Amino acid sequence: DVKVTQSSRYLVKRTGEKVFLECVQDMDHENMFWYRQDPGLGLRLIYFSYDVKMKEKGDIPEGYSVSREKKERFSLILESASTNQTSMYLCASSLGPRNGYTFGSGTRLTVV
Amino acid sequence: RKEVEQDPGPFNVPEGATVAFNCTYSNSASQSFFWYRQDCRKEPKLLMSVYSSGNEDGRFTAQLNRASQYISLLIRDSKLSDSATYLCVVNPGGGYQKVTFGTGTKLQVIP
Repeated sequence: DVKVTQSSRYLVKRTGEKVFLECVQDMDHENMFWYRQDPGLGLRLIYFSYDVKMKEKGDIPEGYSVSREKKERFSLILESASTNQTSMYLCASSLGPRNGYTFGSGTRLTVV
Repeated sequence: RKEVEQDPGPFNVPEGATVAFNCTYSNSASQSFFWYRQDCRKEPKLLMSVYSSGNEDGRFTAQLNRASQYISLLIRDSKLSDSATYLCVVNPGGGYQKVTFGTGTKLQVIP
């Protein structure tokens, strides 16, 4: 069964901390994504990557950075966590734009 | 007008009923369309793609109406396990930045 695995289901961090969210996929997909999901706002794209070491900004990249050193791994970094970054973070991968996404189980991050 | 709009619901239907949701989109050049299912506090899972000719998978039928710019999802013989939020996704082409998720329609199937 193909999988996208996110390292943590729940995280609680303090304001100002640097936070790393890790995502690994085993489908050999080139395209990987980080979304956040908030009630009433739906899923919003933070960053995506279409190849190793390549990244593109999404709708809401401010306060975030990403790293893709290996094809299977895509990391999201919150440089200095703030309370407005409390959210559900979803990693996804895709074979291509006509194929839809496979999502990880999500990380529910709370910044206090 | 929002790029993608869905009625948030909830749609409360009895077991065995047929229910349909629509999702309207604003970009007439949109190329790819999908329906996802999301259970409470879980990740979205791809339910089906929506093709120009329509798409059927068991009790689920997805249709595209380009003239009126909406996609639909029909669920026949609803089961309790169909209770979830259904998200539509529209890809207008031109890059992943433009892929837009609807905020979802909540379905509750009642015994």
